[in-house]
Amino acid sequence: KQEVTQIPAALSVPEGENLVLNCSFTDSAIYNLQWFRQDPGKGLTSLLLIQSSQREQTSGRLNASLDKSSGRSTLYIAASQPGDSATYLCAVRALGTYKYIFGTGTRLKVLA
Amino acid sequence: GAGVSQSPSNKVTEKGKDVELRCDPISGHTALYWYRQSLGQGLEFLIYFQGNSAPDKSGLPSDRFSAERTGGSVSTLTIQRTQQEDSAVYLCASSLAPTSDEQYFGPGTRLTVT
Repeated sequence: KQEVTQIPAALSVPEGENLVLNCSFTDSAIYNLQWFRQDPGKGLTSLLLIQSSQREQTSGRLNASLDKSSGRSTLYIAASQPGDSATYLCAVRALGTYKYIFGTGTRLKVLA
Repeated sequence: GAGVSQSPSNKVTEKGKDVELRCDPISGHTALYWYRQSLGQGLEFLIYFQGNSAPDKSGLPSDRFSAERTGGSVSTLTIQRTQQEDSAVYLCASSLAPTSDEQYFGPGTRLTVT
């Protein structure tokens, strides 16, 4: 059974810092992995999607990497801003299914 | 264009009553997901619809939960004989799968069972 873990559960950093969020999964037979952000009281916004054949994806100040064999993905946020404060979730889609398994998230607070 | 919409935004119901939650996906999106997010928990997959294919119902927690998608567009999640443990935020998402797996989420329905 696929399990997705995110560490740390919460993180507080001063503005301007570069930071790394971690996601690990137990079954490497995945189709793709997505990173989302969730603002309080709102739905999720897709940030980056990495196919199983890819090693990384970049969008602006965000870079996500995938090491499928070790069951890990990282989300790197450069030059963090207070507007980056949110909960970040990763989710994996197993091969042969459209079902996504989500981690419990990392709650990020960027202090001005 | 319009995003995914869900109604109602909040629903308070008494234990034992039935509730219906509605999701309007983005026009043209063939795939639709329902998830549940309980307090302090991650998102839990409930059900997935893809075009005219049979839905993947493997995440529904009990036979009190059912969902349908009419005409490949609007979806309704029904919970019968609600229990207090059903209290959660119910999120709907749509995508252009299999062309693109990028999911677009609605704002959710917060269900409280008293």
